[in-house]
Amino acid sequence: GENVEQHPSTLSVQEGDSAVIKCTYSDSASNYFPWYKQELGKRPQLIIDIRSNVGEKKDQRIAVTLNKTAKHFSLHITETQPEDSAVYFCAASRGGIQGAQKLVFGQGTRLTINP
Amino acid sequence: DGGITQSPKYLFRKEGQNVTLSCEQNLNHDAMYWYRQDPGQGLRLIYYSQIVNDFQKGDIAEGYSVSREKKESFPLTVTSAQKNPTAFYLCASSTPIAGGPNGELFFGEGSRLTVL
Repeated sequence: GENVEQHPSTLSVQEGDSAVIKCTYSDSASNYFPWYKQELGKRPQLIIDIRSNVGEKKDQRIAVTLNKTAKHFSLHITETQPEDSAVYFCAASRGGIQGAQKLVFGQGTRLTINP
Repeated sequence: DGGITQSPKYLFRKEGQNVTLSCEQNLNHDAMYWYRQDPGQGLRLIYYSQIVNDFQKGDIAEGYSVSREKKESFPLTVTSAQKNPTAFYLCASSTPIAGGPNGELFFGEGSRLTVL
């Protein structure tokens, strides 16, 4: 089955700097790669996703890149702000198998933005 | 106000007891999921359900059971057979995106189970 590895487990950056979180996946049939953000004591929420027919996607200060050949994808956050402090999870799935989104999640990265 | 409601938020159980976690959604989503969250291990899929009266095992189903008698409800029972039940449990739902695979997962606020 699918296995997703996420690095680093913790990341601390100065406010205004960029942060990069990387994930690798094992199943070459995976075609959907979302990123979820979980603030302290809150539920995970989708912040951005990418499908395998696209190499890069941006949404304001966040972007995701996908390298299908190497089977890795990354989350980039620019101009970091204190509200970016959270745990970030990457995930992968084949998308829509049997009608359900069977996501396999990475281990999570705790991002801390230092003022 | 649409969303997913999990209850209870905190639950304590003695060893050997079964406990049921509630998950209700009013988003009219077809698919529902249960994940377990442990520190350093991300979210692991316990069970999922595509439609009413149907559910499938996820990656760590042993010691758990579910039912899907109504579209809105997907309760999870943690049985005494689960060897390490202390964890944070998250319920989620999703709906298909037109012309594509199921999309965003909407999560509940979670239930924290502690076995004493």
